[in-house]
This record gives sequence, C-alpha cells and structure tokens, in this order.
Amino acid sequence: ETGVTQSPTHLIKTRGQQVTLRCSSQSGHNTVSWYQQALGQGPQFIFQYYREEENGRGNFPPRFSGLQFPNYSSELNVNALELDDSALYLCASSYTQGASSYEQYFGPGTRLTVT
Amino acid sequence: GQQLNQSPQSMFIQEGEDVSMNCTSSSIFNTWLWYKQDPGEGPVLLIALYKAGELTSNGRLTAQFGITRKDSFLNISASIPSDVGIYFCAGTRSVTTQGGSEKLVFGKGTKLTVNP
Repeated sequence: ETGVTQSPTHLIKTRGQQVTLRCSSQSGHNTVSWYQQALGQGPQFIFQYYREEENGRGNFPPRFSGLQFPNYSSELNVNALELDDSALYLCASSYTQGASSYEQYFGPGTRLTVT
Repeated sequence: GQQLNQSPQSMFIQEGEDVSMNCTSSSIFNTWLWYKQDPGEGPVLLIALYKAGELTSNGRLTAQFGITRKDSFLNISASIPSDVGIYFCAGTRSVTTQGGSEKLVFGKGTKLTVNP
C-alpha cells in the first residue's frame, strides 16, 4: 500500500509569485485535505477535495485554490505569495463514503519559504 | 483559526516514566484523534476515538474520548527515547452542513523530551 506523497519537499519563492504544490493520495482513498502549519503551531485546515470538487474551506483567502484529479491526486495553488505564507503545507488523504468519513493520513509536507 | 486547548505545552521526562497529556474544547467533536509529528515530517496517526467514553490502546499508548465529547487524554507508559516528538490532539468536525467529509481541528501540540 502506497502512502501519501507530496512534492516538492521544499521550495523558496519571492513575495508576489505563484506556487503549485502536489499531493498523491494513499491507495484506496478518495478525499484530499490540505493544511497549513506555521512554525510552533498545529495544522490549520485550508480546504478539502472530494469528487474533484472543493468540499469545504477554512479561513483562507481566495488566492488559495486547488484541484483534484480523477486519480484522486490534488494540487494546492497559492497566488500573490505573502511572507506569512511561509509554512509547512500538509496534504492528508482519507476515504469518504456517503455520510461516513474515515481517518486522515498525512504526507511528509512541503516546506514553503517566501522571501 | 479555532484550535483545541492542549496541555502541557512541553514535558521533560526520564526514560521509563509514564506521560499524560490532554485536550479540551468548548465545542463537541465527532471523533478525537492523536497524532505524533517528528521534525520536518508530517503527523502520524497514533489513535482514533469514535465514541464518547471510549478507551482505546495501541501498545504503550492509551487514549480516551471524554463523556462530554469536549475532551480527550493520551497516556504513554514506560517512555522510551523514540517517544520524543510533538503530540497533537485533533477533533473532527463536518466540512459541510450535509455531513460526510470532515476536517481536523488541531491543538498546538505537546513537545515531549525523553532523557535516557
């Protein structure tokens, strides 16, 4: 069974630039959630994708957007990067069936630094 | 953003000692989960709790889902050096009003240091 993978592992961007982060879900999972983890904090929910649509969003501005593909993998896009966007971005996959949702398993994260 | 109240923030213990940490919230949660995160890595799921009052063990780890659904604790018995890391509690809440998919709300973590 393949676990959750993320790419790249780390990257450095300049304020105002755009970035795309990628996530491959664990085998058998159909739901992907994205979280932002600032240094010394717990992860904060950004949004979730299920059936290739955004299925709920946390308190993040529209410049944070995403996609989910037919193979359940996902992308997180951030436009107009700000210094405060520097964080570890975590992807978590899970299985959803109807009204039932199961445990979320995390990838290793992408460390984004904005200068 | 909303977070759970997790305590203590940090713990320094001797190898072999038992450890206890807890999480509280003013809101109820559907489930409670405990994760461990090592530096530079993603959180790893340790225990998931589904019912109020549930007590679950995973090796040396024991966790309970509070009766009020507003709290949970994690105990680690006979700590070893590899227990070092940051432990997070997380509660789940429905992402949409239709239910189904859920998001995780995290505490700020408990940093555990184990002295050999």
